[in-house]
Amino acid sequence: GDSVTQMEGPVTLSEEAFLTINCTYTATGYPSLFWYVQYPGEGLQLLLKATKADDKGSNKGFEATYRKETTSFHLEKGSVQVSDSAVYFCALSDQGDYKLSFGAGTTVTVRA
Amino acid sequence: GAGVSQSPSNKVTEKGKDVELRCDPISGHTALYWYRQSLGQGLEFLIYFQGNSAPDKSGLPSDRFSAERTGGSVSTLTIQRTQQEDSAVYLCASSARGAGNTIYFGEGSWLTVV
Repeated sequence: GDSVTQMEGPVTLSEEAFLTINCTYTATGYPSLFWYVQYPGEGLQLLLKATKADDKGSNKGFEATYRKETTSFHLEKGSVQVSDSAVYFCALSDQGDYKLSFGAGTTVTVRA
Repeated sequence: GAGVSQSPSNKVTEKGKDVELRCDPISGHTALYWYRQSLGQGLEFLIYFQGNSAPDKSGLPSDRFSAERTGGSVSTLTIQRTQQEDSAVYLCASSARGAGNTIYFGEGSWLTVV
């Protein structure tokens, strides 16, 4: 079945540091890939997505590239801020499917 | 409305009582989902609605859990005879169509069973 494996946290960084959260997936078809973010006390928000190989999703300075050859969708940001402190979830929706399969989530804390 | 709306945002209930959680999806979204987020379990899919029918109930953990959707809009998740292991955040989400479209989440209903 479909599954998502993402880097375990927690991750603690200083402001302006580079952030990478690794995500790999297993799927039978050609999935759409997503990063969702959950800020403290808030619900899940879509951060970015990519629907086909080599697509790059980007939002709020975050980027992730759909790599079919490595079945990966790693999240990156070049210079993090305290406001980026949150839990980040990698997810996939397989072609023709309607459910999201989530990774376990990675807690990121950015210190001033 | 502008987003997926859930109520109550927080609910504390005694073990053995029934609870109802409500979800109002984004206007025009035909697909509606319930997920559960609990410590140590991550995000679990519970049930999917397309219109008023539920073609996939595979994630409901037991027969104490049920959900319905009326008028292709509001959905209610009901948990009967609550147990402590039911304590979790119950997330509702909706999308424009079932497959391949972005799913938008509500802020969740935090259920605590004491």
